[in-house]
Amino acid sequence: GEDVEQSLFLSVREGDSSVINCTYTDSSSTYLYWYKQEPGAGLQLLTYIFSNMDMKQDQRLTVLLNKKDKHLSLRIADTQTGDSAIYFCAEKGSNYQLIWGAGTKLIIKP
Amino acid sequence: DVKVTQSSRYLVKRTGEKVFLECVQDMDHENMFWYRQDPGLGLRLIYFSYDVKMKEKGDIPEGYSVSREKKERFSLILESASTNQTSMYLCASSFDGMGNTIYFGEGSWLTVV
Repeated sequence: GEDVEQSLFLSVREGDSSVINCTYTDSSSTYLYWYKQEPGAGLQLLTYIFSNMDMKQDQRLTVLLNKKDKHLSLRIADTQTGDSAIYFCAEKGSNYQLIWGAGTKLIIKP
Repeated sequence: DVKVTQSSRYLVKRTGEKVFLECVQDMDHENMFWYRQDPGLGLRLIYFSYDVKMKEKGDIPEGYSVSREKKERFSLILESASTNQTSMYLCASSFDGMGNTIYFGEGSWLTVV
């Protein structure tokens, strides 16, 4: 079945770049998403990429998509303490439902 | 701004109790969803509704039911709460089910003792 995988934790120093990785199985996915969940809050859409793109940049965020390897990454430049959160990768599945990864907790070291 | 409001942020219930989790959205969205979030498991879809009185099972519907009597309101019901239903419950609504139009509530933390 369709599956999305991501590592559970990533620890980086403040000011460094963070790279959160995600792999997915459904090669027919048209959209792939990154959501951010801050402590005690719901999920907010951070960014998304359409499957015919291989890169999308939005200020400090860069999304890279490798369709051949079914690999999606989110790079956060100059990571700040406010970036501490859980980051979820999701793909639009074969029906209109979203398939979610388990979430990567980003820990910022001072 | 789209608003999805979950009525209770924190609840503590006893095993066997009936539990209602309420969710209201103010953007006239057709689609509403209930997810369960557990550490290391991400979001798992319990039920969704694509119209008033219409519902579809998600990935983990066992032990849950839902009600959508009005377009803006989607309720999750635990008929007889059990300790393995201790979790964070997230409600969401969407215009078209696409991830870039889905909006989440802040979540309801349910503890069953």
